[in-house]
Order: sequence, then C-alpha cells, then structure tokens
Amino acid sequence: DSGVTQTPKHLITATGQRVTLRCSPRSGDLSVYWYQQSLDQGLQFLIQYYNGEERAKGNILERFSAQQFPDLHSELNLSSLELGDSALYFCASSLTGTSGRVTETQYFGPGTRLLVL
Amino acid sequence: DAKTTQPPSMDCAEGRAANLPCNHSTISGNEYVYWYRQIHSQGPQYIIHGLKNNETNEMASLIITEDRKSSTLILPHATLRDTAVYYCIVRSSGAGSYQLTFGKGTKLSVIP
Repeated sequence: DSGVTQTPKHLITATGQRVTLRCSPRSGDLSVYWYQQSLDQGLQFLIQYYNGEERAKGNILERFSAQQFPDLHSELNLSSLELGDSALYFCASSLTGTSGRVTETQYFGPGTRLLVL
Repeated sequence: DAKTTQPPSMDCAEGRAANLPCNHSTISGNEYVYWYRQIHSQGPQYIIHGLKNNETNEMASLIITEDRKSSTLILPHATLRDTAVYYCIVRSSGAGSYQLTFGKGTKLSVIP
C-alpha cells in the first residue's frame, strides 16, 4: 500500500459526458501528479500540482483540467469524453516535487479505470 | 531527459537472479537512473534509484557502469510475484523535470 488513494476504482460512462477522478496523496506529501495509461500510448504524464498550484504540464488535453485543494487532495476533471479517453488514470504524490529534489520518490495510487462507451 | 532502451521481454526461472539491462548512452552528469515496476495494471511501484554508485535495498540492486551509459537491475531471488513490467527511467535535476517519463519497459516473466 503506497498511501495514495484514488476513487472511484472503476468508472463507466458515455461519450460526451464529464467525470471527476479524485486523489488523496500520502500524508505530508505536497505534490500530486496525474498520469494516463492507455494501450497505445503507454504511461504518460498529464499534470503536476504543488501545494495548490499548477507546477508542470504534460500531454494534457484542453478538455481535461485538474486542481489541488487546500487539504491537498486533487481532482482530475475529464469533459466531452471520447472513446479514446478510455484508460487507466494514476495519481502519484511526492514530498515536494520541486527543483533540486529530483531524488524524491513518487508513490503511485491504485488507479481509476475509465471506460467510455 | 535521456532516453532509455530496454529489451521488450525477458524470462527468469523462479529462485534465480533476474538481471534486467537498460541502456542510457546519452545520460548526462546530473541525471539519475530510476527503476519502477508495474504489476498487472496496478500503480507503478518504486524499486530503486542511483546516480553513479551501485545501490542496494531490500527489493533489488542497481549496478551502474563506470561510464554511466548503462545499468542493470538485479532481483536476487525472483519469485512469481516479481512478474511485472519493469521501467528504467532517467531523470534530470533541471527545472520542469519533476515528472517521470515512462518508456515501454521490459516485461519480466518469472517461470516456476
């Protein structure tokens, strides 16, 4: 158990809909990262938040957005869903995730499996 | 971040040492080598990391060549539960490099 929790575990929805994925980082971790894993693209970094602020952006679509709340949990919002958004979505956390701390370990949650029909 | 090259798959007999190679010939001086594994669609699990010295922890050993252009992850006594995809990742310490960049990894199958 990494200490990172994600809900829900599974989500089935229809094209065009909007969903929200939730992540609670390990106790004391300030940074949250979101990754997407699809069959054709592998594991890809989407976005990082540090202490409530966006810190780094990866291959995140404009239809996707995220935020980190004062209690440090994070939500990933996916809208206007398409069939190709079906994937595993992982959240990871680390202590700070700031420059100079590259040796920080990222701990991953169990993921949310999204199926868009 | 430097790119890595790993064999797509490997087999290992249960109880034997599993040696997983990784080539990172373009690695630069401030880049670390990280290893993660993913067991059947679970969240990736951190294994070990190193800069230039060999490292060992309760899970594995990491051997980095002197020129740092390649490394080997060693699982000393592989068990069936070690069957997973193993990712070798090189991370820079520069700004904007907080995320992990995963390649295709090596699918290790531990055989009874």
